[in-house]
Amino acid sequence: QVTLKESGPGILQPSQTLSLTCTFSGFSLSTYGMGVGWIRQPSGKGLEWLANIWWDDDKYYNPSLKNRLTISKDTSNNQAFLKITNVDTADTATYYCARTGTHTMGIAFDYWGQGVMVTVSS
Amino acid sequence: DIQMTQSPASLSASLGETVTIECLASEDIYDILAWYQQKPGKSPQLLIYDASSLHTGVPSRFSGSGSGTQYSLKINSLQPEDFASYYCQNGLSAPHTFGAGTKLELK
Repeated sequence: QVTLKESGPGILQPSQTLSLTCTFSGFSLSTYGMGVGWIRQPSGKGLEWLANIWWDDDKYYNPSLKNRLTISKDTSNNQAFLKITNVDTADTATYYCARTGTHTMGIAFDYWGQGVMVTVSS
Repeated sequence: DIQMTQSPASLSASLGETVTIECLASEDIYDILAWYQQKPGKSPQLLIYDASSLHTGVPSRFSGSGSGTQYSLKINSLQPEDFASYYCQNGLSAPHTFGAGTKLELK
């Protein structure tokens, strides 16, 4: 059974660094073809893809966030991480992590976490 | 970057009706397109991947089609649980942009 769960600070101030953790089970990020992505959604708005990390440590980022994103993984502890530097109120959103795998020729997130709400406020 | 234009933004339909949602990519994405359903307060759920492959457990009234830059999601015989928001996603290349979404409401 595949599960993912996000954790984060809940609230932080502008200019701080947001650190998110995705703890998963039921698959391994060292298995060929597996990947974990981060997606966010401001309240009442649409989905925004942020970043992806693959089994071979290949990483892809959304260029709209410039150089503020860093994705990483800890394969032995079944975790993936996302850091966003210099946060602003526009980063207030629910953040999801999700799995993609060999069921698709590209990316399609077949399992999602429940999401974690992050508020940026002074 | 590939842009995804989804239409309509909202759709009102009755139980038992058939509806279609469209997604237009700014360039050829070679059928690497996913569709998701999201209900209020819940995480998105994968419906279709690779344009037309039904994800495990998804009812057969959902179907995906298209090629090149034009794709569609069809829902036959709408059920009460189908009233939700729907998103397409470019699965081919980063950034893996989502469409803006379609909110399907009960008429």
